[in-house]
Amino acid sequence: DQQVKQNSPSLSVQEGRISILNCDYTNSMFDYFLWYKKYPAEGPTFLISISSIKDKNEDGRFTVFLNKSAKHLSLHIVPSQPGDSAVYFCAASALGAGSYQLTFGKGTKLSVIP
Amino acid sequence: KAGVTQTPRYLIKTRGQQVTLSCSPISGHRSVSWYQQTPGQGLQFLFEYFSETQRNKGNFPGRFSGRQFSNSRSEMNVSTLELGDSALYLCASSLTATNEKLFFGSGTQLSVL
Repeated sequence: DQQVKQNSPSLSVQEGRISILNCDYTNSMFDYFLWYKKYPAEGPTFLISISSIKDKNEDGRFTVFLNKSAKHLSLHIVPSQPGDSAVYFCAASALGAGSYQLTFGKGTKLSVIP
Repeated sequence: KAGVTQTPRYLIKTRGQQVTLSCSPISGHRSVSWYQQTPGQGLQFLFEYFSETQRNKGNFPGRFSGRQFSNSRSEMNVSTLELGDSALYLCASSLTATNEKLFFGSGTQLSVL
């Protein structure tokens, strides 16, 4: 039972345009969400997070939107740069339930075309 | 500040053998988590330790075990290796006990032949 789903295995975007990566979750206990970026042969790197009490969090070119009623979050990258090409993982945690683990989606491979 | 260090970086074993992977967390981090990444499966949670106590365990067979030492360093062990254990094993550490933000190492790539 996959509790965090990233339905698009890959996404190609032109440099300078917006990249939108989507993530859906099923567990209502999740109250904290994160995005990680991973390059080949490296560990994932934290990108941005959002608590369930917010619906938007912004950090430079990266913005995460959370729609709790739809159990959906998205990561927007504007403008996209070739260095953004990587695999992006959505992750969720149930902090309020005392869970200390992250549940990850399977990832979306973003390719930014120069 | 040094990041999360995992050793070895690559490992080749044969079926039936056992393996021990090591993880040194960021200095001051007391929480260590382990994840397995296989192609197409994302990252799957193995277990998590805080102050030498295992607080969470994922849905993996008993062949997978781990421990944490008093200096927060952690090891995971896989016994009786199977071909399906071939994966990238990632260790992550966290400053807070609630693990809001994990810092990952580069992983140990295990190949079972």
